[in-house]
Amino acid sequence: DAKTTQPNSMESNEEEPVHLPCNHSTISGTDYIHWYRQLPSQGPEYVIHGLTSNVNNRMASLAIAEDRKSSTLILHRATLRDAAVYYCILKGSRSGGGADGLTFGKGTHLIIQP
Amino acid sequence: GAVVSQHPSWVICKSGTSVKIECRSLDFQATTMFWYRQFPKQSLMLMATSNEGSKATYEQGVEKDKFLINHASLTLSTLTVTSAHPEDSSFYICSAGRPVQETQYFGPGTRLLVL
Repeated sequence: DAKTTQPNSMESNEEEPVHLPCNHSTISGTDYIHWYRQLPSQGPEYVIHGLTSNVNNRMASLAIAEDRKSSTLILHRATLRDAAVYYCILKGSRSGGGADGLTFGKGTHLIIQP
Repeated sequence: GAVVSQHPSWVICKSGTSVKIECRSLDFQATTMFWYRQFPKQSLMLMATSNEGSKATYEQGVEKDKFLINHASLTLSTLTVTSAHPEDSSFYICSAGRPVQETQYFGPGTRLLVL
């Protein structure tokens, strides 16, 4: 799987938007961009994923650069419960997210200040 | 979203004993489940892929005779840590995938402490 690069940590204030960047310059044309997050002492949970177009769901938005070499996870209004480690992961369409194990990088530790 | 459960949520055992961890997909059938391990302040590491009705596939460096995986049904996979030692103390997490949905659903994790 292609490698992703994320900042080690980011800090934001409660009720403000948060933009979490991810660089994936070696992404292949069939790689999907997945985001998972892990709250303290819990298993990871799925956040969002996309291929080329920007995606929105109830948790977040995913903005994908036109050249697909980077993406940004957007939390529109952060709450204290969003404090977690956020992982950006690439998976090929050949396997999909459900058929192969995931390779987790170090992720971004998001700190939310009240 | 789909729910994956794990049991027990935490376990303390003596060195040399074996510990079994169960992973269940509660609302869908999972032909494939995954086992991860996470040491403190580190990221998750994939240990093995559990395949219903066949042998598990282990990642490089993971001892298959030490970490026994059984996937006897479409909703249950078990991980047995045999002859556990203090260095096996970790957070063990399972997940189940729905291939057509391209996402994975993770269990809450099992914290193992070997004394």
